Amino acid sequence: QSVLTQPPSVSGAPGQTVTISCTGGSSNMGAGYDVHWYQQLPGTAPKLLIYGDINRPSGVPDRISASNSGTSASLAITGLQAEDEADYYCQSYDSSLSAWVFGGGTKLTVL
Amino acid sequence: QVQLVQSGAEVKKPGALVRVSCKASGYKFTGYYIHWVRQAPGQGLEWLGWIIPNSGATHYARKFLGRVTMTTDTSMNTAYMELTSLRSDDSTIYFCARGATGGFGFDYWGQGTLVTVSS
Repeated sequence: QSVLTQPPSVSGAPGQTVTISCTGGSSNMGAGYDVHWYQQLPGTAPKLLIYGDINRPSGVPDRISASNSGTSASLAITGLQAEDEADYYCQSYDSSLSAWVFGGGTKLTVL
Repeated sequence: QVQLVQSGAEVKKPGALVRVSCKASGYKFTGYYIHWVRQAPGQGLEWLGWIIPNSGATHYARKFLGRVTMTTDTSMNTAYMELTSLRSDDSTIYFCARGATGGFGFDYWGQGTLVTVSS
């Protein structure tokens, strides 16, 4: 059972918009710790997609965005493309565990 | 460009130890944390701990206390993760990742090292 909760899967057709939620608690996201998002393509290492709740590293397209409110965060991908098909993970710091924690991951399928 | 290159796959027997290396290049090694994260096949990400190369200070996830040791060799820009008393459920892919202080996430990752524990 992951400390951060994500839906196991989401799907959307090319060109559509999908959102992936991430729910935490009072010792992590609710305590104000930043949320980061990662994309993991099959057979590869995770790639940083969003850092500090809403910021995109250079090279990440602006059709990818994120928001954060209290104990909930979400990642949005607009204009879905086949290349977006991957697993997505949220991450935060948990003060009660003194550990970095991840969501269980969400598999995005492009129909 | 920033790169983290890890050592190759390992096969170990239960009860043995494994040591995975992570060689950094393209940035000042002592200026960033190195985190270790693992992922069982088809499963999510699990954080093991971090090390500060400059000082050697470490912080481990409680689950791995007593079994994991992280070290660095700053002359070789290389970080190491050693896990002892291996069990079958330690059969996972181990990643190293670079992290900075502040809200910047883990911005570069190694390619991963598959560790298989089997008798």
